Amino acid sequence: GNSVTQMEGPVTLSEEAFLTINCTYTATGYPSLFWYVQYPGEGLQLLLKATKADDKGSNKGFEATYRKETTSFHLEKGSVQVSDSAVYFCALTDTGRRALTFGSGTRLQVQP
Amino acid sequence: DAGVIQSPRHEVTEMGQEVTLRCKPISGHDYLFWYRQTMMRGLELLIYFNNNVPIDDSGMPEDRFSAKMPNASFSTLKIQPSEPRDSAVYFCASSGTASSSYNEQFFGPGTRLTVL
Repeated sequence: GNSVTQMEGPVTLSEEAFLTINCTYTATGYPSLFWYVQYPGEGLQLLLKATKADDKGSNKGFEATYRKETTSFHLEKGSVQVSDSAVYFCALTDTGRRALTFGSGTRLQVQP
Repeated sequence: DAGVIQSPRHEVTEMGQEVTLRCKPISGHDYLFWYRQTMMRGLELLIYFNNNVPIDDSGMPEDRFSAKMPNASFSTLKIQPSEPRDSAVYFCASSGTASSSYNEQFFGPGTRLTVL
């Protein structure tokens, strides 16, 4: 079956630090990969996505590259802000199945 | 666009009572998903519909849970009877095949259910 593994949190960084949140996946078909963000008390918002190998998704300074050879989709940002504090979920959909399979989520705390 | 609308936002009930959660997807979307979020199990799919037809209900915990989609603009998730272990945040999401954001799911704000 499909699965997504994320690094454990919380991740605590100072403002302007570099962020990496690791994500690896297992899928039986040709997955699309996503990063969703959840702010406190809110639903999930799509942050970025990639639909095929070597695609790079980017949004709001965040980036992730679909690496088929390492089955990874790591999230990066060069300079985090306090407003980036949230829970980040890596997820996938697979061929013929539209439902998302989520990782466990990584809480990011950015301190001023 | 108003986005995905869920009601109620919060529900507190006693064990054994019936609970009904409601969802209005984004107009024009043909897929609707119900997810549940708990500390222990994270985010997991309960069921999803395509064109109002259930496609995958393998995540529905047991017979106490049922979901319906009588038309393209409304879905319900019902728990009867409710139990304390059903306490969670329930999210509804929708997506559209024909849109430029194909395969992107848009989530509602969730319903926080507490069963005492």
